[in-house]
Amino acid sequence: AQSVTQPDIHITVSEGASLELRCNYSYGATPYLFWYVQSPGQGLQLLLKYFSGDTLVQGIKGFEAEFKRSQSSFNLRKPSVHWSDAAEYFCAVGPHQAGTALIFGKGTTLSVSS
Amino acid sequence: KAGVTQTPRYLIKTRGQQVTLSCSPISGHRSVSWYQQTPGQGLQFLFEYFSETQRNKGNFPGRFSGRQFSNSRSEMNVSTLELGDSALYLCASSGKLAGENNEQFFGPGTRLTVL
Repeated sequence: AQSVTQPDIHITVSEGASLELRCNYSYGATPYLFWYVQSPGQGLQLLLKYFSGDTLVQGIKGFEAEFKRSQSSFNLRKPSVHWSDAAEYFCAVGPHQAGTALIFGKGTTLSVSS
Repeated sequence: KAGVTQTPRYLIKTRGQQVTLSCSPISGHRSVSWYQQTPGQGLQFLFEYFSETQRNKGNFPGRFSGRQFSNSRSEMNVSTLELGDSALYLCASSGKLAGENNEQFFGPGTRLTVL
């Protein structure tokens, strides 16, 4: 079955510390992988995506993610967290064809302490 | 470039009523997808429209329906509302052309509360 697992429901990180959010997927075909961020009461903003090529992808707001096919993982990282990064983060997987349903993980809530 | 817009942003209804939500995709995008987000179930795919045709459908009852107009704007309708329909309904647009990369851009959502 196709699925996305985000093992950490809630993570607290000190401001200025590094961050890694985990994402594992199960998908039969070559996947497209995404990380979205959602602030309270808002929609989803795309942070970064992996379609093909270089397995280390850079996104907005200083985020990056690494695709590891052997581990079926697509972990999100940031070297130094800012208080404004506090939000909920979703990993998603989907096929290459436009308009096809994305499968989302349950999300990880990030809190930033001062 | 304007993003995806959804109206209304907030809606309160009572059980048994019906509701219509609207979504305007990014200019030039022809695919519109709808998702339901709840604390318990997370983000779940409802359906997707492309060029006024429903191409994909998630596992939701027939009370949930949608349509797309020639200008790519989309509406979704929920009839006979139940308490469990309370959720954030997100619309996403993608794909200027069929087969284009599946990068979806989301609107701010409509928060539906059923009393």
